[in-house]
Amino acid sequence: QKEVEQDPGPLSVPEGAIVSLNCTYSNSAFQYFMWYRQYSRKGPELLMYTYSSGNKEDGRFTAQVDKSSKYISLFIRDSQPSDSATYLCAMKRDSGGSNYKLTFGKGTLLTVNP
Amino acid sequence: DGGITQSPKYLFRKEGQNVTLSCEQNLNHDAMYWYRQDPGQGLRLIYYSQIVNDFQKGDIAEGYSVSREKKESFPLTVTSAQKNPTAFYLCASSQTGLGEQFFGPGTRLTVL
Repeated sequence: QKEVEQDPGPLSVPEGAIVSLNCTYSNSAFQYFMWYRQYSRKGPELLMYTYSSGNKEDGRFTAQVDKSSKYISLFIRDSQPSDSATYLCAMKRDSGGSNYKLTFGKGTLLTVNP
Repeated sequence: DGGITQSPKYLFRKEGQNVTLSCEQNLNHDAMYWYRQDPGQGLRLIYYSQIVNDFQKGDIAEGYSVSREKKESFPLTVTSAQKNPTAFYLCASSQTGLGEQFFGPGTRLTVL
C-alpha cells in the first residue's frame, strides 16, 4: 500500500462549481498536511498548510483533515478557469530525522470549463 | 522580490555527460531540497540540506550529487551514472524542517 493515495483524475467541472479533491494516507505519523497547485510546466505553489485535524479556510479554498480516517480534502468554492491545474497533496511527520521529508500524492488534474 | 530561482529552464544533455542544475534562494531559508518529477508521478526527494556544508540523501540519490557551500545556493549535479535522468527537477527551500516548503520554477532536463 502506498503511503499517500490520490486520484489522478482528470476532473472536469463547469465554472462556479464546488470542487472536492482528496487524499488518503496510511502512515499515522503524518502530522502536517499541505496542498500545492501546479500549473503546467511550472513549480508547485503552496496553497494550504495545516497541522493535525480540523478545517482551515483561505478565501475560496478550504482544507480539511480527518486523522481518524487518514483522509484529507481540499474544497474549492466558485471554481474559476484559472483554477485549472494539477493539485498535489503532501504530508510529513513532525519529529525525528524524517521531518524534513515531504511525501507527495501523484496529483489530480483539474479543468474548470468556462 | 524574495524567491527561488532555478537555471537553466531547459537543459539538453548527451548520454555520458554530467550536468549541473543551479538553485538560488534569497529567502534566508536554512533548508533546501531537490526533487524529481516524472509524468503522472508525485515528487520524489533526491537530496536535502538543513544547513551549510551538510546534506543528506533522499529517496532517489543514486546518480546525483550536491554541494551546499553557501546558504543561498544548492546546486545539483546529474552524473552519467543516473540511468534515466530525463525529468523535471524542482528545487525548494524552507525556513526550518517543519516550515512550509516553497518551490522554484523548475528545470526540465532532456537526455538526447
